[in-house]
Amino acid sequence: AQTVTQSQPEMSVQEAETVTLSCTYDTSENNYYLFWYKQPPSRQMILVIRQEAYKQQNATENRFSVNFQKAAKSFSLKISDSQLGDTAMYFCAFMKPSLTGTASKLTFGTGTRLQVTL
Amino acid sequence: DTGVSQDPRHKITKRGQNVTFRCDPISEHNRLYWYRQTLGQGPEFLTYFQNEAQLEKSRLLSDRFSAERPKGSFSTLEIQRTEQGDSAMYLCASSFSGASYEQYFGPGTRLTVT
Repeated sequence: AQTVTQSQPEMSVQEAETVTLSCTYDTSENNYYLFWYKQPPSRQMILVIRQEAYKQQNATENRFSVNFQKAAKSFSLKISDSQLGDTAMYFCAFMKPSLTGTASKLTFGTGTRLQVTL
Repeated sequence: DTGVSQDPRHKITKRGQNVTFRCDPISEHNRLYWYRQTLGQGPEFLTYFQNEAQLEKSRLLSDRFSAERPKGSFSTLEIQRTEQGDSAMYLCASSFSGASYEQYFGPGTRLTVT
């Protein structure tokens, strides 16, 4: 079974600064997907960024980028130019595709609560 | 499209009662997932469907839990003989079984068992 570990329960960053959230995972699979999801207070979870394990290039989405280290089983999220709207719980998640290569269940970490301050 | 919707948003029930939650996925999505999230934890997988077929159930899922998706559209999750440990947020997500792998989440149903 796969496990996802987020070792930072809470983090704080000032507006416009950069912050990095850590995530490690354990799997014996070679083909998988990794995700960062954001859950704002009292709002639904939304996808921030996705990384395919077979891709060596790190994914980027505007101010969000990842550092994917497959051998180390590490998948950190960097948020640049932090904004007040980035305040949320951030969950790292793992997906092993189904036998047909399609989407399957997500395994989540325990989350990191990020507070962006003025 | 308005996204994934869940009903009710909040449910308070007494221990021993049965409860049923509904999830309406994004209309073109053929996969539907249920997760449970307790305070301070990440969502935990319960079960998922492709169309009307239930493809996987978590081994952690008690026999008191049952889920259906009878016509491959909306889904219901029923908990029988609720216990205080069932108190949690129940999240529904949907996806298309294509290449994007993104799951779209609903707002959740918060269950409180007293």
